[in-house]
Amino acid sequence: GAVVSQHPSWVICKSGTSVKIECRSLDFQATTMFWYRQFPKQSLMLMATSNEGSKATYEQGVEKDKFLINHASLTLSTLTVTSAHPEDSSFYICSARDGGQGRGSFGSGTRLTVV
Amino acid sequence: AQSVSQHNHHVILSEAASLELGCNYSYGGTVNLFWYVQYPGQHLQLLLKYFSGDPLVKGIKGFEAEFIKSKFSFNLRKPSVQWSDTAEYFCAVRSYNTDKLIFGTGTRLQVFP
Repeated sequence: GAVVSQHPSWVICKSGTSVKIECRSLDFQATTMFWYRQFPKQSLMLMATSNEGSKATYEQGVEKDKFLINHASLTLSTLTVTSAHPEDSSFYICSARDGGQGRGSFGSGTRLTVV
Repeated sequence: AQSVSQHNHHVILSEAASLELGCNYSYGGTVNLFWYVQYPGQHLQLLLKYFSGDPLVKGIKGFEAEFIKSKFSFNLRKPSVQWSDTAEYFCAVRSYNTDKLIFGTGTRLQVFP
């Protein structure tokens, strides 16, 4: 149980373009989803918390206009990296949590490379 | 602010050696505690978690961790490591108030045959 699917697993894009990453909870309803970023040889840093049907809460230092988060349903949250730059190249991981059961799990991550 | 410290950044062991990875957190309220493992090229996997009850928690692959509330610690242990335990280990804390999962900086474990 508590399976989270993240897509795509890797993406290469040109500077200035936008990239959308999807995070789906497959066997539970995720009232809350979290988006993390992991730079090489570093820990995971929480970027934002999204709750279904409301605006995401961003951590300090994370640009909300650059990293657009949409949590339109209880099983899907999307992260869009807008006008991507090489410094946005990173490993992005989502986590979904079932508020009722307390279960949570991580997606497999998306490796973004901006060239 | 909530924070998590992992003091061992890089640990090198021989197979069959015992392992203990330190994790300390700073938060005065009720917390949930987690240890995750990330094998090379793979995503995070949950090793074990503590929510309440017995402070000695047993997880997968022979790992265990002990929650010591007075020391704000949740150290990970394994009596005898294997080469396949080579990975990055992350301690994480979630507070009841914020619901956010805050990660430590990670400990890289290398086990040599």
